Amino acid sequence: EPEVTQTPSHQVTQMGQEVILRCVPISNHLYFYWYRQILGQKVEFLVSFYNNEISEKSEIFDDQFSVERPDGSNFTLKIRSTKLEDSAMYFCASIGTGGNWAFFGQGTRLTVV
Amino acid sequence: QKEVEQDPGPLSVPEGAIVSLNCTYSNSAFQYFMWYRQYSRKGPELLMYTYSSGNKEDGRFTAQVDKSSKYISLFIRDSQPSDSATYLCAMRGAGNMLTFGGGTRLMVKP
Repeated sequence: EPEVTQTPSHQVTQMGQEVILRCVPISNHLYFYWYRQILGQKVEFLVSFYNNEISEKSEIFDDQFSVERPDGSNFTLKIRSTKLEDSAMYFCASIGTGGNWAFFGQGTRLTVV
Repeated sequence: QKEVEQDPGPLSVPEGAIVSLNCTYSNSAFQYFMWYRQYSRKGPELLMYTYSSGNKEDGRFTAQVDKSSKYISLFIRDSQPSDSATYLCAMRGAGNMLTFGGGTRLMVKP
């Protein structure tokens, strides 16, 4: 069964450092998303990406965040200068053409110390 | 008022019980309604998907949507210990952004 793959599964970084979270969406999917879930809180939308550009973003997705699809398979989330409050699970998701529901990866647990 | 409200639980039931999980929402633009299951420190796994009002059944799971009341439900029949997880409702309007409830933690005891 096709799945969304995320790496790494766990990343520990020092405050102020840059991190890149990586995702390989399901092949032939066209819509890509990043969500985050702070421990004990709800899953929150960050950004959606379609046709090589951002289609929607939330207030959380400020100038410290960026997304990129550097090649035909990878989809990345970069946090330029991490803060303690960026510690969370980050989930990548994708939707195929004509689909209406998102498939999620297993997440990357980001810990900022 | 939160856009999507969900009782956090925990909801504890004996094995074999019928479980009822619910969400209420405030945004009348929501048209697509989903239920995800999430095990601890794992990604959300899609269980059921419904468009607009009505019922949908898949095995032991039944999803109901009542748009007039802005209320959605997930029923699990013959619950199993392996159903123990957090259940998230999610919904969206015409765009692709999902809005999630906070999740209900379900524990099914053998």
